[in-house]
Amino acid sequence: DAGITQSPRYKITETGRQVTLMCHQTWSHSYMFWYRQDLGHGLRLIYYSAAADITDKGEVPDGYVVSRSKTENFPLTLESATRSQTSVYFCASRGQTNTEAFFGQGTRLTVV
Amino acid sequence: AQSVSQHNHHVILSEAASLELGCNYSYGGTVNLFWYVQYPGQHLQLLLKYFSGDPLVKGIKGFEAEFIKSKFSFNLRKPSVQWSDTAEYFCAAYTGTASKLTFGTGTRLQVTL
Repeated sequence: DAGITQSPRYKITETGRQVTLMCHQTWSHSYMFWYRQDLGHGLRLIYYSAAADITDKGEVPDGYVVSRSKTENFPLTLESATRSQTSVYFCASRGQTNTEAFFGQGTRLTVV
Repeated sequence: AQSVSQHNHHVILSEAASLELGCNYSYGGTVNLFWYVQYPGQHLQLLLKYFSGDPLVKGIKGFEAEFIKSKFSFNLRKPSVQWSDTAEYFCAAYTGTASKLTFGTGTRLQVTL
């Protein structure tokens, strides 16, 4: 199906475990983004990517790792999950300038 | 650093009341501006966008926004809200030379019957 999809939709993990959130888009958009949404903070940018093999830190990158070996995929890895990383994570993509971003359905991650 | 500010954190309105949500951004030059809406339990959807041209932008569901460059503002308006407009509203921006899209902290709108 066309669009942007995230998996899993819900995840519960234990403190210290590694967990990877997947994001896949079918538009061949250049830019992809990971945000976390927390009450009182809105959406904060974790990492973004301007193209395959090009990634950059956002506002809150600590504890996260990303990769972008293919244009359509942008996985986000929590190397050693902490309770403070309990959040809703949104992936987004957009084309070149003068275009809007499209968002995935989100992944609700709980770290216990 | 670029930033986006939304000063109204929680707004409660009666149905049919008029709405205006404030949004200010911190940088000059070419800027692209957006309003997104998030209904309860859902992902973000685009309400409207501004890239250039007419500073009064019409969006979906009767929403509009006005870009005022001198005030660095992009306020969202709707003449008459409906109960179904209950949601969280986010203003966002990116500059022409920057890749990243920056969001405000959001405004929670509650419309009562």
